[in-house]
Amino acid sequence: DADVTQTPRNRITKTGKRIMLECSQTKGHDRMYWYRQDPGLGLRLIYYSFDVKDINKGEISDGYSVSRQAQAKFSLSLESAIPNQTALYFCATSPGQGVYEQYFGPGTRLTVT
Amino acid sequence: SQELEQSPQSLIVQEGKNLTINCTSSKTLYGLYWYKQKYGEGLIFLMMLQKGGEEKSHEKITAKLDEKKQQSSLHITASQPSHAGIYLCGADLSWGFAGNNRKLIWGLGTSLAVNP
Repeated sequence: DADVTQTPRNRITKTGKRIMLECSQTKGHDRMYWYRQDPGLGLRLIYYSFDVKDINKGEISDGYSVSRQAQAKFSLSLESAIPNQTALYFCATSPGQGVYEQYFGPGTRLTVT
Repeated sequence: SQELEQSPQSLIVQEGKNLTINCTSSKTLYGLYWYKQKYGEGLIFLMMLQKGGEEKSHEKITAKLDEKKQQSSLHITASQPSHAGIYLCGADLSWGFAGNNRKLIWGLGTSLAVNP
């Protein structure tokens, strides 16, 4: 089984709808991240969480919110989806200490029409 | 401008050829990561480099960190179609500082195609 899972894998939604993307991990890592990837813009950090009680905005948090329900679960919500939020969304995790690599989920392809 | 520049943006090589991808930072590199992404899929961790001059290899892929040049290079020897994909570098620019201000910044990626 994958260490970092994301649901759904694909989603098409309409402008104005609320949508939640979910991420679960079995790696036991404290740190979790949400990114979006757009052609020509690369990976951009939306939110990150260093533990259940510590949530921080990334470089593009406007229009998004997150919830860290447990060490293993980190959800991303779009309160009112807009077309420019169409992107590939990734969840990632990393250990808490030192220089560290991040482990990515398979991604969620979101299309807002 | 990008804090982390990758070059080239794209590359097409014949199977069996060697190739190099570069990742250059505008700031001091404390840790550098190489990932591979198949189109539309997740990122697979390849290697992490921490010290200037450090070199690591994984199968036919070798990466080196040149701290003075604030650059890392990824070299693939005798490329195969399985090497095709997008190679991304990520850098931890805040490692070594106290507090929770760490972030990983990313290059835009190098798209590699290997023709059989």
